[in-house]
Amino acid sequence: GEDVEQSLFLSVREGDSSVINCTYTDSSSTYLYWYKQEPGAGLQLLTYIFSNMDMKQDQRLTVLLNKKDKHLSLRIADTQTGDSAIYFCAEKDYGGATNKLIFGTGTLLAVQP
Amino acid sequence: ETGVTQSPTHLIKTRGQQVTLRCSSQSGHNTVSWYQQALGQGPQFIFQYYREEENGRGNFPPRFSGLQFPNYSSELNVNALELDDSALYLCASSLVGDDGYTFGSGTRLTVV
Repeated sequence: GEDVEQSLFLSVREGDSSVINCTYTDSSSTYLYWYKQEPGAGLQLLTYIFSNMDMKQDQRLTVLLNKKDKHLSLRIADTQTGDSAIYFCAEKDYGGATNKLIFGTGTLLAVQP
Repeated sequence: ETGVTQSPTHLIKTRGQQVTLRCSSQSGHNTVSWYQQALGQGPQFIFQYYREEENGRGNFPPRFSGLQFPNYSSELNVNALELDDSALYLCASSLVGDDGYTFGSGTRLTVV
């Protein structure tokens, strides 16, 4: 079945760029998502990309997709302390009658002042 | 445009009890999904409702059930609670044909 994997932890200094990586296994066309979760909160959708795209940019966020390697990354430019959170990568699974999201285990981003 | 709202925000139940969690979908959304997020894990799909019927289920036992109402709001019911049911339960609404999902802030369930 489909699987999404992420590294568990990333620490950066304020003002640096952060790059969070994710790998997925679905071989068909799909949507790939990045969500942010702050402590005690729900999931905030940051951005999503269709698998026929290579890149998507939205202000400080850049998503890069290597379809051949099934590798997705989220780059946050000029990282701020408010960016400290858990970041989840998810892929949309079109299997059966239900479209559902399959999440990775999340990457904890710690931003040092 | 309102987002997804869930109630209650926190809940403590005893093993063996039953619980009902509630979700109001984002305006204009007709599909609702429920996810369970155990501590330190990513969310896991429980089931999805469309047109008041369940149209997909993840790897969860039948004691997890749900409802969707004509106004697209939804309930998640869990019977015979177990300690491992302690988790954050997230509701997500979406529109058929659209690929965006809006999540609520979740209900933190603790089973003791």
